[in-house]
Amino acid sequence: DAKTTQPTSMDCAEGRAANLPCNHSTISGNEYVYWYRQIHSQGPQYIIHGLKNNETNEMASLIITEDRKSSTLILPHATLRDTAVYYCIVSGPSGTYKYIFGTGTRLKVLA
Amino acid sequence: DAGITQSPRHKVTETGTPVTLRCHQTENHRYMYWYRQDPGHGLRLIHYSYGVKDTDKGEVSDGYSVSRSKTEDFLLTLESATSSQTSVYFCAISWAHEQYFGPGTRLTVT
Repeated sequence: DAKTTQPTSMDCAEGRAANLPCNHSTISGNEYVYWYRQIHSQGPQYIIHGLKNNETNEMASLIITEDRKSSTLILPHATLRDTAVYYCIVSGPSGTYKYIFGTGTRLKVLA
Repeated sequence: DAGITQSPRHKVTETGTPVTLRCHQTENHRYMYWYRQDPGHGLRLIHYSYGVKDTDKGEVSDGYSVSRSKTEDFLLTLESATSSQTSVYFCAISWAHEQYFGPGTRLTVT
């Protein structure tokens, strides 16, 4: 499975959009991009995933570049409750979803 | 809520003792996973299971064994606990591209 690179930390003002980048330059054609977040010491929470096309759900939007070597998770209106560690994961379609988490991006939403 | 529980939630044990952590799910999902998380690190996969009696190693499997005799239970065993196995252990199931995680077990090996 491809590895990912994310900034260690980011700050975002409450109410503004939070844009979290991820590089996955070695991604294979059949690998998906997944985003999870972990709040305090809770178990990670699924946010969104995509293969090629941009995706949106009630939590966030995922923008994947055309060459699929990078992506951006967008939280459109960040709140204090979005303060968490965000993980970008690339994993194949094998069905076993063997994730490699990395250290993620620590997002702090500021009041 | 994917109906995942972990037991115990906290445990302190001594070096050299055997420890078993239990993950229980109520949804009959096929795939189950054990991860560990250490301070300043993301989660690392220990073992996973793709069905009853079907298990495989993850990236940090040394010192751990697993068993799955029923769909709903996935057990993680430390045969002889070491201080390096002090960690928070998360169980997860996967369903339709999503993984759902349990609340975690905080294990301290003294």
